[in-house]
This record gives sequence, structure tokens and C-alpha cells, in this order.
Amino acid sequence: DVKVTQSSRYLVKRTGEKVFLECVQDMDHENMFWYRQDPGLGLRLIYFSYDVKMKEKGDIPEGYSVSREKKERFSLILESASTNQTSMYLCASSLDPGRGEAFFGQGTRLTVV
Amino acid sequence: AQRVTQPEKLLSVFKGAPVELKCNYSYSGSPELFWYVQYSRQRLQLLLRHISRESIKGFTADLNKGETSFHLKKPFAQEEDSAMYYCALREYGNKLVFGAGTILRVKS
Repeated sequence: DVKVTQSSRYLVKRTGEKVFLECVQDMDHENMFWYRQDPGLGLRLIYFSYDVKMKEKGDIPEGYSVSREKKERFSLILESASTNQTSMYLCASSLDPGRGEAFFGQGTRLTVV
Repeated sequence: AQRVTQPEKLLSVFKGAPVELKCNYSYSGSPELFWYVQYSRQRLQLLLRHISRESIKGFTADLNKGETSFHLKKPFAQEEDSAMYYCALREYGNKLVFGAGTILRVKS
């Protein structure tokens, strides 16, 4: 059973703080993704990675960066948190892009105050 | 520009009624489309993919390239179908993009 684990379910951070969201998968998947989920906007892709140290911007990368030093771990970094980054963040991984099945973590609800 | 459009934010039907969740896409290549579902307090998970032409939990979806649509259908809704449904498109490489989602409420 594929496991995608996000380090925190809930986080509260202050404006201007540097925030790290961690995601780990245990199935040796090449592809990993970070999305934010907002009501009425659906899932919007922030960044994705198709291999270690490889990354590509998604649709809304501004204010975010990522790190993939090991295959199983994909970190999302908010360089200087702002209130408009309050959201639910979802991490996902997939093995075979042709199959398209992405496995999701449980989500991290981030509140920036 | 939005590549995946789900025009309905909320669809409310009675138990036993037919369901159709709409999805339209915009993609110049050969599209690969999927439906994902998120039940209350559960993770987002794959429901079905167009390439396998399968029926999952009574749901089917047919890719219509002429209308650029991939609508999700079920002939008889059940209460346990109540959830958030997302249509997704695989773009070049491994990029997976989603629509805004539709909440399905099945009333008894």
C-alpha cells in the first residue's frame, strides 16, 4: 500500500516566517507534487519533481521553493510566509506518468497569522 | 488559461437519480484524463482514468475529443457517492493539473 506522509496536519505560522512542509513517500516513486487546495479554485500545482534534484514550476510557484535531495522526500518551502498563503497543502507522488495515478498525503492545513 | 473546467461547484441530486458531473478540457496534444474523488475526511484518490475505460463504483466517463469533454456519469446515485470530485489532465511529461472540483450531494 502506497504511503505518502506529510509531516504535519495543522500548522500555524507568523507572517514573515520561513516555513517548511515535508512530504515522504515509501514506494520509490520518481514523481512528486505539491498542490494547494482552496475552495472554488480546486487543486493548483505549485511545483513538481520528476527525479532527485530535478524540479519544475507549476502554475503558482511565486513565494514558494522546493527541495528534493532524496527520492523519497519532497519539501515545500515558504520563504517568507504571508497571509494569502493560508491554505490546505497536498503532497502527491506517482510512479508511472502514463498511468497518471497520483497518491496523495493527508494534507497540511497551514494558517499564517 | 484554465485547462480543466468543471462548471458546477455543487451538484445536488436525490438518491436513485442519474448523475452527470461535467468536465471540459483544453489541450493541444493527445489528452489523458482522470477523475479523482475526495470523501469526507479522507485523502484524495483516483476514481477512474479514461485510458482503461473501466467502471468504478458504477461511475463511467467517456472521452469526447470533438467536444473536449470527459463527463462523469452514474445512472443511479447513492448516498455514499457524496464527495468532492475533481477532473484532472496529464499534460506534457508528468504534470498533472486539476479542475476546481464539484461537490456532489446525494439526498435521501
